[in-house]
Amino acid sequence: DAGVIQSPRHEVTEMGQEVTLRCKPISGHDYLFWYRQTMMRGLELLIYFNNNVPIDDSGMPEDRFSAKMPNASFSTLKIQPSEPRDSAVYFCASRAPRQGENTIYFGEGSWLTVV
Amino acid sequence: SQQGEEDPQALSIQEGENATMNCSYKTSINNLQWYRQNSGRGLVHLILIRSNEREKHSGRLRVTLDTSKKSSSLLITASRAADTASYFCATDKGYSTLTFGKGTMLLVSP
Repeated sequence: DAGVIQSPRHEVTEMGQEVTLRCKPISGHDYLFWYRQTMMRGLELLIYFNNNVPIDDSGMPEDRFSAKMPNASFSTLKIQPSEPRDSAVYFCASRAPRQGENTIYFGEGSWLTVV
Repeated sequence: SQQGEEDPQALSIQEGENATMNCSYKTSINNLQWYRQNSGRGLVHLILIRSNEREKHSGRLRVTLDTSKKSSSLLITASRAADTASYFCATDKGYSTLTFGKGTMLLVSP
C-alpha cells in the first residue's frame, strides 16, 4: 500500500512568495493532519481534518497559513506570503477511522526554506 | 503545547549496548506511543501501550508505562548502528490527535 505522499519534498523560495504544499493521505483514512517540525519548537500540530472538514486549526500560526481538503484524497497547505521564519519541515499524516487506537502515519515531509 | 517530554535529549552508545529513553507527560492519557524518525524522513510508529498496561514488548523494544508517575520508558536492547534515529513519545488523551515530545536523538556507533 502506498503511504502518505507529500510534494514537493524540498522547496526553496524567496520571502514574499506563495508556497503550496500537497498531500495525498492513505486511502481509506478519514483523518488528515498537518504538522510542522523545527529544532526550536519540535513537532507542532497546525490543523487537522476529519472527513474533509477542518476540525481544529488553532495551531495555524497566522492568517498567512491556510489549508484545504477538497476531497478525501488530497489536501493543501498554503503559505502566502512566506517569511524566513516559516522555514521548517512540514509533515502531512493520516489516520484510519477511529477504532480505539490512534496510530498516525506520516509522509516523508516537505522541507521548506524561505530566503 | 508539548505534552510529552523525552529525556535525555541526546544519547550516544556503542553497538550491542542497550538504550533507554524516558518520557514524562502531564495529564491523563488513553495510550502512549513511540515513534522513530530517521534523518530526513517522516516519523514511523513503533509501539503503543495502553493506559491499563504496564509493559509491552516488540522484538528488541520494551516499553513501560507508569501512570502514577506519568512516565514511560523505551528500551532498545542490543542496539545496532541502524537504530540511529530520533525517538518521540506521543500521548493520546482520547481526542483525535496525538501530542508529541521533542524527541531523543540516539546515536549508535559501530
